[in-house]
Amino acid sequence: GENVEQHPSTLSVQEGDSAVIKCTYSDSASNYFPWYKQELGKGPQLIIDIRSNVGEKKDQRIAVTLNKTAKHFSLHITETQPEDSAVYFCAGATKTSYDKVIFGPGTSLSVIP
Amino acid sequence: DGGITQSPKYLFRKEGQNVTLSCEQNLNHDAMYWYRQDPGQGLRLIYYSQIVNDFQKGDIAEGYSVSREKKESFPLTVTSAQKNPTAFYLCASSIVGASNQPQHFGDGTRLSIL
Repeated sequence: GENVEQHPSTLSVQEGDSAVIKCTYSDSASNYFPWYKQELGKGPQLIIDIRSNVGEKKDQRIAVTLNKTAKHFSLHITETQPEDSAVYFCAGATKTSYDKVIFGPGTSLSVIP
Repeated sequence: DGGITQSPKYLFRKEGQNVTLSCEQNLNHDAMYWYRQDPGQGLRLIYYSQIVNDFQKGDIAEGYSVSREKKESFPLTVTSAQKNPTAFYLCASSIVGASNQPQHFGDGTRLSIL
């Protein structure tokens, strides 16, 4: 069935360094890829998304790249800050069985001051 | 401010008991969703509703039931048939019920077994 894989599962970086989280998807018809940030005890919040007709999108310190041929997409956070510490989820839209979003298992990011 | 409100924040269930989780949105969104989150796993879809008075099963609907009598409300009942209900439950909504639309989440309800 449809699947979204995400790596790494945990990531620690020094404050000011960059963090990269990578995801792969199985449904070649997927056309929408959101990224969510979840802080402890809270619900996920959308931080950036990309559609399949775009290769890269940037919003201040956050960027997402998409490689449709390889079926993978990545989240890049530059100049990391302690408040970036959270769990990040990638997701992909699929219509194979029914119209839904499939979430990756999450990456726990720790930014060390 | 518009958003999604889930209540209660914490809930405890006794053996053989049904419990209902509340989800209300004032975003005027047509679609609403319920997800279950377990440690180390992504979100799994329980039920979704694309419009009032209509809903469909997601990937893990067994032991759960929902209703959608009002646009702003989508309560989830965890029945006694759900043998492993301990989890974090998240409600979400989107403007329309299409997978290529961003979803807005509430802050969840944590359900535990007494």
